[in-house]
Amino acid sequence: EPEVTQTPSHQVTQMGQEVILRCVPISNHLYFYWYRQILGQKVEFLVSFYNNEISEKSEIFDDQFSVERPDGSNFTLKIRSTKLEDSAMYFCASSGEKGSNSPLHFGNGTRLTVT
Amino acid sequence: KNQVEQSPQSLIILEGKNCTLQCNYTVSPFSNLRWYKQDTGRGPVSLTIMTFSENTKSNGRYTATLDADTKQSSLHITASQLSDSASYICVVRGQAGTALIFGKGTTLSVSS
Repeated sequence: EPEVTQTPSHQVTQMGQEVILRCVPISNHLYFYWYRQILGQKVEFLVSFYNNEISEKSEIFDDQFSVERPDGSNFTLKIRSTKLEDSAMYFCASSGEKGSNSPLHFGNGTRLTVT
Repeated sequence: KNQVEQSPQSLIILEGKNCTLQCNYTVSPFSNLRWYKQDTGRGPVSLTIMTFSENTKSNGRYTATLDADTKQSSLHITASQLSDSASYICVVRGQAGTALIFGKGTTLSVSS
């Protein structure tokens, strides 16, 4: 069964550094998402992306965050200047259908640790 | 404020037993409600998706119910297995926007 893949599985970075989290969504999917989960807390929505532009973003997704689909397969999340509170598990998800009832397929996440 | 609350926070049951997990939400207007299973260190995996017009949906040993009037849902797991040990998360999508609103999950431990 096709799956969403994320790399790296674990990223350690120093405060103030830039990080890029990478995702390869399921190949025929058109809708892409980033969510994050701080340890012990709920999964939180960051951003949705369709047709090469952001569809929706949360309050968390401030100017330090950006997303890009640089080619036909990758979907990236960039954090320009990381803060300690950015430490979390970041999940990429994709969906193949436009309808609100379409299932989201999640990757296994990248654990980001900011020191 | 749109919220999803789950109970209990954690649950321990013996292999082979049944259990029911609860979810209450305040998301309005409401589009659909989903249950996800999340194994430790992995991404959430979809179990069921129900629209406001559906009362029940099954996926193998998992049966979800929805009462859109009282804004409550439950997930019933039948004949539990050790591999059912995971976090079960109730997720609601509103009619506006694309974001999913997650509950904090119920951590289920199945022991032999």
